[in-house]
Amino acid sequence: GQQLNQSPQSMFIQEGEDVSMNCTSSSIFNTWLWYKQDPGEGPVLLIALYKAGELTSNGRLTAQFGITRKDSFLNISASIPSDVGIYFCAGQYNNDMRFGAGTRLTVKP
Amino acid sequence: DVKVTQSSRYLVKRTGEKVFLECVQDMDHENMFWYRQDPGLGLRLIYFSYDVKMKEKGDIPEGYSVSREKKERFSLILESASTNQTSMYLCASSFPGHNHEQYFGPGTRLTVT
Repeated sequence: GQQLNQSPQSMFIQEGEDVSMNCTSSSIFNTWLWYKQDPGEGPVLLIALYKAGELTSNGRLTAQFGITRKDSFLNISASIPSDVGIYFCAGQYNNDMRFGAGTRLTVKP
Repeated sequence: DVKVTQSSRYLVKRTGEKVFLECVQDMDHENMFWYRQDPGLGLRLIYFSYDVKMKEKGDIPEGYSVSREKKERFSLILESASTNQTSMYLCASSFPGHNHEQYFGPGTRLTVT
C-alpha cells in the first residue's frame, strides 16, 4: 500500500537548535498526524491536523497540513535532550492510515 | 490515562514455533490494531479489528492470524515463526471513527532464530 516519504531519515543536532522534518505523498489525506517514539516505547501522538492549511502548535512543536493535502511538516524549536527519539508522520484517508518511515533525532547537549 | 499493554517486551523464539503476542487495553476501545515496525519501513498494518470476533487483514497479513474473543484483548499469532518475522510488534487501540487517535502499547521485540 501507499507509504509516505518522510525526510530526513536522521538528524544530529546541537541542543538549542531548531529542527524541521516533512512528509510527502502522491495521494491526498484527510488527516495528518505526527507521533514521537521514545526509545523502547510505543509511538505517542503529538499533533493532529484536520484541515488543509492548518497550522497547529503544541509547546515547542509546530506542524502544518499542506494546502495540497499531500504533505505536512513538523518543526521543533529550541531542541532539548529529551526531544531525542523517532518522529513519525501519518496520513489518514477515511479508515486507511499510512505511516512514514520515521526521522531519528539525536540531540547533543 | 489510556493504557495499552503487551504481554512481553522481548521474546526469542525458534523457527517453526507457534508464537502468541497478547495485547490488552483498558479504555473500552472498539478498534484494535497490530503493526510491525522495521527500520526504514515505518509501521505496517498486519491486522485490525473493529469489534469482538471481527478481524480484517491489513497490508501484510501473510504468516499471521489474530484472535479477538474479548473487547479488551487482541492477540497476534504467528502459526510457524520464521526468521523474516523478526521485528518490533506494536499493538494500538482507538475509538470508532477515531483511527487517527491511536494509542500504542510499548511494543514486543521478537527475535526468531
